[in-house]
Amino acid sequence: QQQVRQSPQSLTVWEGETTILNCSYEDSTFDYFPWYRQFPGKSPALLIAISLVSNKKEDGRFTIFFNKREKKLSLHITDSQPGDSATYFCAARQQGTGSKLSFGKGAKLTVSP
Amino acid sequence: AQTIHQWPVAEIKAVGSPLSLGCTIKGKSSPNLYWYWQATGGTLQQLFYSITVGQVESVVQLNLSASRPKDDQFILSTEKLLLSHSGFYLCAWSLRDWGFAEQFFGPGTRLTVL
Repeated sequence: QQQVRQSPQSLTVWEGETTILNCSYEDSTFDYFPWYRQFPGKSPALLIAISLVSNKKEDGRFTIFFNKREKKLSLHITDSQPGDSATYFCAARQQGTGSKLSFGKGAKLTVSP
Repeated sequence: AQTIHQWPVAEIKAVGSPLSLGCTIKGKSSPNLYWYWQATGGTLQQLFYSITVGQVESVVQLNLSASRPKDDQFILSTEKLLLSHSGFYLCAWSLRDWGFAEQFFGPGTRLTVL
């Protein structure tokens, strides 16, 4: 079964708007949640990550909000740019498994100028 | 600085033929290594991981095998390719610790099975 769920699967926003990508999980043993960005034809690159000890992680225009009680995360991209157009993957690492990651199905973002 | 190299860049193979994909990491000692598979337009599925030379753990069975003959080398192979093996194969590495170890992906190998 899909351990990490993402929504929406795709979305289009206008340049300058804030993009919100959602992620949820069921497994209480997940303790680390990286987000990866993948441009067409390229390999994924780590964008930003958060652990259970934090409720929020910010890096420039990218912010993760984490609701541990509801097991939900969201990635906010402020002032979205056409260059942000890509597929974004939420992933989760199970405690005690080193770096075995489970990935969501991804969210394809298109930013229109 | 660490670099990760995968070979070949792309491969077109016939059903039933053998396959060998490779990955090398330079600039990092004793990394954790991983193989992922991604169908076109799909998610990333972790296939194997290795924390040391000669030791490989299987995550998903896809009629593939992996080996780590050297500290900086990871090999993915099969003796008989299936159509379902088509996709994007990615090697990744992370530091060997049990903290929040980020994984870094190589450039990938695109495989087409006909």
